Amino acid sequence: QQQVKQSPQSLIVQKGGISIINCAYENTAFDYFPWYQQFPGKGPALLIAIRPDVSEKKEGRFTISFNKSAKQFSLHIMDSQPGDSATYFCAASNSGNTPLVFGKGTRLSVIA
Amino acid sequence: ETGVTQSPTHLIKTRGQQVTLRCSSQSGHNTVSWYQQALGQGPQFIFQYYREEENGRGNFPPRFSGLQFPNYSSELNVNALELDDSALYLCASSIDVGLAKLQYFGPGTRLTVT
Repeated sequence: QQQVKQSPQSLIVQKGGISIINCAYENTAFDYFPWYQQFPGKGPALLIAIRPDVSEKKEGRFTISFNKSAKQFSLHIMDSQPGDSATYFCAASNSGNTPLVFGKGTRLSVIA
Repeated sequence: ETGVTQSPTHLIKTRGQQVTLRCSSQSGHNTVSWYQQALGQGPQFIFQYYREEENGRGNFPPRFSGLQFPNYSSELNVNALELDDSALYLCASSIDVGLAKLQYFGPGTRLTVT
């Protein structure tokens, strides 16, 4: 049973455009939702995270939107740059002490 | 850089052999988790150690075992290797910040089983 569903599987965006990646979760006990960025040959790097007490969190060009009732959250990358080309993973956990449950990832390509 | 290091970077083993992967956690982090990332997939949780005790395990067989040492370094051992064990193995050290457990991943060890 996949507890975190991520879409799309791959995404191509023009430089300067907005990249949007969506995730949906099933477990209502989840209360911590991070996004990770992974470049080839590297481990995932924590990008931004949100807790369900807020509907949006912004850090630089990266924004998480969270919809608790729909059990969905999304990552928006504004002014996408070629250097943003990577695989992005959403994840979820119960911040009490459970491990991260990851989506399957989205391979983002930003083209000039 | 996260301060989490792993060794070796790459490893090739034969089916049936045993392997030990190592992780050095970020200073001050007392929890380490291990994940398996198959090609084109998200990381899957193997187990977690807190203060040298296993305190959580994913859906992996007992031939996957681990250790955490007093200096917070850690090992992942896999016995009787199978072809499907070929994957990137990630360790993540974590620290509690408020109510969240922030996990920082190392670069991983790429294991190939032939």
